[in-house]
Amino acid sequence: DGGITQSPKYLFRKEGQNVTLSCEQNLNHDAMYWYRQDPGQGLRLIYYSQIVNDFQKGDIAEGYSVSREKKESFPLTVTSAQKNPTAFYLCASRLNLRGESIQPQHFGDGTRLSIL
Amino acid sequence: AQSVTQPDIHITVSEGASLELRCNYSYGATPYLFWYVQSPGQGLQLLLKYFSGDTLVQGIKGFEAEFKRSQSSFNLRKPSVHWSDAAEYFCAVGDPNTGGFKTIFGAGTRLFVKA
Repeated sequence: DGGITQSPKYLFRKEGQNVTLSCEQNLNHDAMYWYRQDPGQGLRLIYYSQIVNDFQKGDIAEGYSVSREKKESFPLTVTSAQKNPTAFYLCASRLNLRGESIQPQHFGDGTRLSIL
Repeated sequence: AQSVTQPDIHITVSEGASLELRCNYSYGATPYLFWYVQSPGQGLQLLLKYFSGDTLVQGIKGFEAEFKRSQSSFNLRKPSVHWSDAAEYFCAVGDPNTGGFKTIFGAGTRLFVKA
């Protein structure tokens, strides 16, 4: 079955540490996204990538970094510069069809990051 | 700038009762509109989407939504709620001018179902 796999499901970070969240998709989707979800705030866009080797900052990119070396992978690094990293992180992907209507995003099951 | 408003933070309905979740958007033209559902600790699942055409859209799990341009609304409805519908629901807007690369999500409405 095709889908999006996020790992790990739970992650703990010590102060001053960088951590990397994994996101892999086998849907052959072009675009990939990272969102942060906090209670009562919905989803906020951190970074997105439309094609391999290209990505753009979203609304809350400070303290985060990403890479897109392969079409199926879009890892997110939460750096020590992110002062309040405790949140639920969601990865999504979307197929971009030339000349077609927008396609919806497909989501992984998320990673919950907590500070020790 | 685009925005999406879900006025109700949470709603409680009795099992078997009808449901309507409200969504209002701010955008200069007709955006792409979506409703997603999220169970606790999980990702979002698409319920339905609207791009153009018939303003009443049918989705999965017995949900439907109606696009009303005059009210800038895209409310989600279900005639009879089941206990398994308890979850958080998100309305979302995609900007056609960006090729849809960015989608704006509302803050969500949590649905509680009482027996």
